[in-house]
Amino acid sequence: GESVGLHLPTLSVQEGDNSIINCAYSNSASDYFIWYKQESGKGPQFIIDIRSNMDKRQGQRVTVLLNKTVKHLSLQIAATQPGDSAVYFCAESKGAQKLVFGQGTRLTINP
Amino acid sequence: DTAVSQTPKYLVTQMGNDKSIKCEQNLGHDTMYWYKQDSKKFLKIMFSYNNKELIINETVPNRFSPKSPDKAHLNLHINSLELGDSAVYFCASSQTAGVVFFGPGTRLTVL
Repeated sequence: GESVGLHLPTLSVQEGDNSIINCAYSNSASDYFIWYKQESGKGPQFIIDIRSNMDKRQGQRVTVLLNKTVKHLSLQIAATQPGDSAVYFCAESKGAQKLVFGQGTRLTINP
Repeated sequence: DTAVSQTPKYLVTQMGNDKSIKCEQNLGHDTMYWYKQDSKKFLKIMFSYNNKELIINETVPNRFSPKSPDKAHLNLHINSLELGDSAVYFCASSQTAGVVFFGPGTRLTVL
C-alpha cells in the first residue's frame, strides 16, 4: 500500500550544525518526491523536490538525496539556523498529483 | 501577494451544524486541492479539482462537498459536523504535475 514514513519523529541539532532528516517510502512506482517545512500555525511550505530520474538535488542550504534501491529519501540542511525550527514532511506521488505524506519530523535547534 | 488564501482561519461550531470554508488562489494554477491535517499532524488529501472538474475523491464522507465555481476557487462545505471532523483543513493549488502550494489552513473545532 501507499505509505511514507520517517525514521525519527523528533530531531535536535546545535545551531550551525548540519541536519539530516530521513524518510522511507514504500511505493516503488512513485516518481516524484517533495519536502515541505511547516511552522507552527502555518501551512506547509515547499522546500525542494526531486524526480525519480535523479538521485541528488541541491537548493539554497538544502540537499535532497534519493536512493531508489532502498526507497529512502533524505533532506540535508546545512548550517542549521533557529529559523529552521519546524516540522518537516516528505511526500511522494506518481505524477505529482496526489501527494502521500509522511508523518513529519520536528526539528529543534539548540543555541 | 500571489498566494493561496482561505477563510476563515478559525472555525468553532457545534456538532450537527453546517459550515463552509472558502479558498482562492491567484497563482494561475489549474489544479486545486483540499487536505486534512489531524491532531497528530498527519496530512491527507481529500479532494482534487482540475479546471473545475473533480479528479480525486479520497473516500471522504459525502457530508463533505467541494464546489469549484471557477478554477481560481475551491470551497469546502461540510454538513452535519461531527466531533471527528475537528482538524486543520488546507487548501492547495498547483499547475498540472507541478509543485503543490498550500494555504495557511483553517482550524475547525467541533464542540
